[in-house]
Amino acid sequence: DAKTTQPTSMDCAEGRAANLPCNHSTISGNEYVYWYRQIHSQGPQYIIHGLKNNETNEMASLIITEDRKSSTLILPHATLRDTAVYYCIVRVAKGFQKLVFGTGTRLLVSP
Amino acid sequence: GAGVSQTPSNKVTEKGKYVELRCDPISGHTALYWYRQSLGQGPEFLIYFQGTGAADDSGLPNDRFFAVRPEGSVSTLKIQRTERGDSAVYLCASSRTGAAEAFFGQGTRLTVV
Repeated sequence: DAKTTQPTSMDCAEGRAANLPCNHSTISGNEYVYWYRQIHSQGPQYIIHGLKNNETNEMASLIITEDRKSSTLILPHATLRDTAVYYCIVRVAKGFQKLVFGTGTRLLVSP
Repeated sequence: GAGVSQTPSNKVTEKGKYVELRCDPISGHTALYWYRQSLGQGPEFLIYFQGTGAADDSGLPNDRFFAVRPEGSVSTLKIQRTERGDSAVYLCASSRTGAAEAFFGQGTRLTVV
C-alpha cells in the first residue's frame, strides 16, 4: 500500500472549515483514498473514501487532485467534537482488509 | 448492542502471565480485525478473519500472540508470557465482506507490570 504524508497537527476555529491535506504521490491506479478519525479514547471512525472523483457525505468532503497524488479532507463547519486525529490511508481494493495507519494529523478545534 | 464490544475495557497483568481479550463484532459482520495501538502511534494491524479462518495474520508480532474465531462471530486474542512491551490498547473492528467501512470497538487497554 502507498505511503501517505500528513501534517502532524493543525488548528481550526469552531465554525470554520477545516481542510486537512494528505500527500500520496506513489498511489497506484487501483488504490482508494480512505479517511478515518480517532477521537480521544475511542476506536477509529470511518469518514469517507474515494478513488478519483470528489466525494461528499454527511460528515465531510473529499477532494482528490486530478493526478491523484494528493487529497484534502474538508470538514465544512468544524465543531469542538471534531477534535481528533485524522488518518489518511491509501489501499488497494474496496473492501476492508489491512489498513495501514500512519501517525495522522491531530486537529484541534478551538472556540 | 449495536456496536463492536470489547471486554475487558482495562486489563492489568503481571509480566509472564497469560491474557485473553474478547471481541464481539456487529451481528452479521463476517470480517473481523485486531489492531493494537501504542501511545502516540496509529493503530497497527495484527490479524484479519474472514468467517472462522484467519485470512491474514501477518501482523502478529511473534508466536506468543494467537487469535481464534471458532464460530465466525466472537473472537479472542490470546497473549502468552506477556511482556511489558505488550502494553497497548488492543482494538477490534468488524465489517461486512467487501464493505469500505469498518466499525471499531472502544478497545482493551492492556498494562503489563
